[in-house]
Amino acid sequence: NAGVTQTPKFQVLKTGQSMTLQCAQDMNHNSMYWYRQDPGMGLRLIYYSASEGTTDKGEVPNGYNVSRLNKREFSLRLESAAPSQTSVYFCASSEILGGSEAFFGQGTRLTVV
Amino acid sequence: AQTVTQSQPEMSVQEAETVTLSCTYDTSESDYYLFWYKQPPSRQMILVIRQEAYKQQNATENRFSVNFQKAAKSFSLKISDSQLGDAAMYFCAYRNSFGNEKLTFGTGTRLTIIP
Repeated sequence: NAGVTQTPKFQVLKTGQSMTLQCAQDMNHNSMYWYRQDPGMGLRLIYYSASEGTTDKGEVPNGYNVSRLNKREFSLRLESAAPSQTSVYFCASSEILGGSEAFFGQGTRLTVV
Repeated sequence: AQTVTQSQPEMSVQEAETVTLSCTYDTSESDYYLFWYKQPPSRQMILVIRQEAYKQQNATENRFSVNFQKAAKSFSLKISDSQLGDAAMYFCAYRNSFGNEKLTFGTGTRLTIIP
């Protein structure tokens, strides 16, 4: 049981380059999330998808786009990377019920130079 | 919007002692869940314990227990008999019970265990 799989694990981009972070879950969860983690800032929500076909902005959506391709996959795209987007990115998924545990991918360490 | 605040960026405790991590939150909802997640150096996020707001009894999981004060909007985590493996970042998190709501995290507390 793979759980939540994120790719890539590490990436270095030049300012202005674009890239897509991929996320897939095999637990049939409806809810999926993208967070970024920065020192002293905790996990901040970038985008959230309550179900296939729906996406909502989180706390820090500027500079990002997302696609909920199907129930399994939720991708995060940086159209024009900036040094401020250097961070560790986490994808997560959970069931609809509020008390459901969220399962996380291993994270992507992204450096923009 | 709901907010979660962790006012202790770092804490340390002697091995085998007890430590309490603090968390406060703000919400206008009456039914919600609160969580503590652990993130060891491996970066993997691990659920430690969860509490439903409607339950009076504080949740307990082995050496981990919470002190949930609904009126004060406080949700602290107590770790008893601290072990070296407890060293990690600890995040408090909030989610409404209904409506397929998002999961909101605090800024985290880094816990160091002193041998």
